[in-house]
Amino acid sequence: DQQVKQNSPSLSVQEGRISILNCDYTNSMFDYFLWYKKYPAEGPTFLISISSIKDKNEDGRFTVFLNKSAKHLSLHIVPSQPGDSAVYFCAASGGSDMRFGAGTRLTVKP
Amino acid sequence: DGGITQSPKYLFRKEGQNVTLSCEQNLNHDAMYWYRQDPGQGLRLIYYSQIVNDFQKGDIAEGYSVSREKKESFPLTVTSAQKNPTAFYLCASSPRARTNEKLFFGSGTQLSVL
Repeated sequence: DQQVKQNSPSLSVQEGRISILNCDYTNSMFDYFLWYKKYPAEGPTFLISISSIKDKNEDGRFTVFLNKSAKHLSLHIVPSQPGDSAVYFCAASGGSDMRFGAGTRLTVKP
Repeated sequence: DGGITQSPKYLFRKEGQNVTLSCEQNLNHDAMYWYRQDPGQGLRLIYYSQIVNDFQKGDIAEGYSVSREKKESFPLTVTSAQKNPTAFYLCASSPRARTNEKLFFGSGTQLSVL
């Protein structure tokens, strides 16, 4: 059962524009959400997180939005840079459980 | 330079063979994890360990075994009972087990069947 879904396997944007990556979850027990970034031949690295008591968290060019009623979160990257090209994983955590989405491959074109 | 080291980067398994994937961390983390990644799927938890000499099954433990004899090391053995072992395997750690904390990942091992 996929409790965390990233419905877009890939996304392509132009350098300087906004990238929006989406993630949906089904389990209302999840109360902490994370985004990881993965380059080829490397392990995922933590990017940004948000607790369920917030609806927005910002870190430089990266902002994560959480809509609890819709069980949806999104990652905004503004402005997008070619170095942002990677696979982005969404993860949801609650109690002793953490679930990952399948990832979205972002390509930022110069 | 703290981190997690996985080896080998690539591994090939013959029919009926057991193979062991290495994972070492020098972050002084209590918790360690093994995940499996298949194309088009999220990371799935195989086993995790909260403390030395203790480990728990994850969602897809069948055909795998682990040990945690030292805090720094959490090797994963893919046994011959695992009928579909071809996948990308990721080891991770966190300061404490299964709490709302970020995971630190190794660079992964790609296992293929000959």
